[in-house]
Amino acid sequence: GENVEQHPSTLSVQEGDSAVIKCTYSDSASNYFPWYKQELGKGPQLIIDIRSNVGEKKDQRIAVTLNKTAKHFSLHITETQPEDSAVYFCAANRRSQGNLIFGKGTKLSVKP
Amino acid sequence: ETGVTQSPTHLIKTRGQQVTLRCSSQSGHNTVSWYQQALGQGPQFIFQYYREEENGRGNFPPRFSGLQFPNYSSELNVNALELDDSALYLCASSSTPATNEKLFFGSGTQLSVL
Repeated sequence: GENVEQHPSTLSVQEGDSAVIKCTYSDSASNYFPWYKQELGKGPQLIIDIRSNVGEKKDQRIAVTLNKTAKHFSLHITETQPEDSAVYFCAANRRSQGNLIFGKGTKLSVKP
Repeated sequence: ETGVTQSPTHLIKTRGQQVTLRCSSQSGHNTVSWYQQALGQGPQFIFQYYREEENGRGNFPPRFSGLQFPNYSSELNVNALELDDSALYLCASSSTPATNEKLFFGSGTQLSVL
């Protein structure tokens, strides 16, 4: 089955800097890669997702890149703001599957 | 459009007891998934329901069971509670039937087993 590893586990940046979180996956058949943001006391919120037929996707300050050959994908946040502080989770699996396999999360702290 | 709502928000039980957690899916979503999130970990898939039938199950014992109702709301039942069952239980609904895409999560039920 699929296994997802995520790093770093914690990341601290200054407001305005960029943040990058990386994930690797094991199952070459995986074709769906979402990223979730979880704030304290709340459930995970989908912020961006990418399918395997696309190498990069952007949504304002957030972008995701996918390298199928190396089996890794990354989340890029530019011009970070204090409200970006949260735990970020990557996930992967085949779209036809009912479940997602999540990484262990990255706690991002953006210092004003 | 209402989001995913879960009840109760917090629950304290003792070992050996049984618990029922409830979830109302986002309007129009017919697929509901349940995840367990231990402290400091990513969510782990328990099972998914689509059209009132179980549509996939993770590596959880049979004492974890569920239901989905005609209005797409769902229940998670856990029998013979163990200390390790202490976790945040998350419900997610999806607008894409029977898949893992575009999951909308509720805020969860924090279960403590003493």
